[in-house]
Amino acid sequence: QSALTQPASVSGSPGQSITISCTGTSSDVGGYNSVSWYQVHPGKAPKLMIYEVSNRPSGVSNRFSGSKSGNTASLTISGLQAEDEADYFCSSFTSSISYVFGTGTKVTVL
Amino acid sequence: QVQLVQSGAEVKKPGASVRFSCKASGFTFTRYYIHWMRHAPGQGLEWMGTVDPNTDTTNYAQPFRGRVTMARDTSTNTLYMELSSLRSEDAAVYYCAREGGEITMPTKSFDYWGPGTLVTVSS
Repeated sequence: QSALTQPASVSGSPGQSITISCTGTSSDVGGYNSVSWYQVHPGKAPKLMIYEVSNRPSGVSNRFSGSKSGNTASLTISGLQAEDEADYFCSSFTSSISYVFGTGTKVTVL
Repeated sequence: QVQLVQSGAEVKKPGASVRFSCKASGFTFTRYYIHWMRHAPGQGLEWMGTVDPNTDTTNYAQPFRGRVTMARDTSTNTLYMELSSLRSEDAAVYYCAREGGEITMPTKSFDYWGPGTLVTVSS
């Protein structure tokens, strides 16, 4: 199972919006509404930000939103803040009854 | 509150085995799938497999089959994972994580994570 493809880095100024893409295939992202997104700060455990494509867990800021079109899922962070600077990974359930993660995107707040 | 407490850091030689533990609390242990992932330095997250704590049924990721064993102890609400034939590429932080939603309606996402266990592989 190949890793889902994400841009290596995305940057934006405080207050701006950025979008991170996550491209897979019809056997994972495109085939299931089971895409989730994780925020990883250095030395910390991943934190669930979005599940089932567009649902936010309790406690996650509504500045984070998710969507999907075909084989590509997206995470949008609006009103970018310094604390959003982290690595972000997408994940999808697959037809092999397994899970695959994305290659990861480093978000930099300028 | 939901907590997953993992065992401490390990240093192993190539070819050795390592055993991890993950003690769960704050939720009904047998009602949620538990998954194991790893995160190597500079690499992406990698799913290793899952265990159903209710039935002890496991599902391992293809790259780890034959080398990984996952199990649970319902008397102590603890999950275990053993990885054998270690090589340098296995150096990583290993996480246990709970799948969101109970087993009857899982969300296929990981809502609570342990703090991770660092494994160093060096001769």
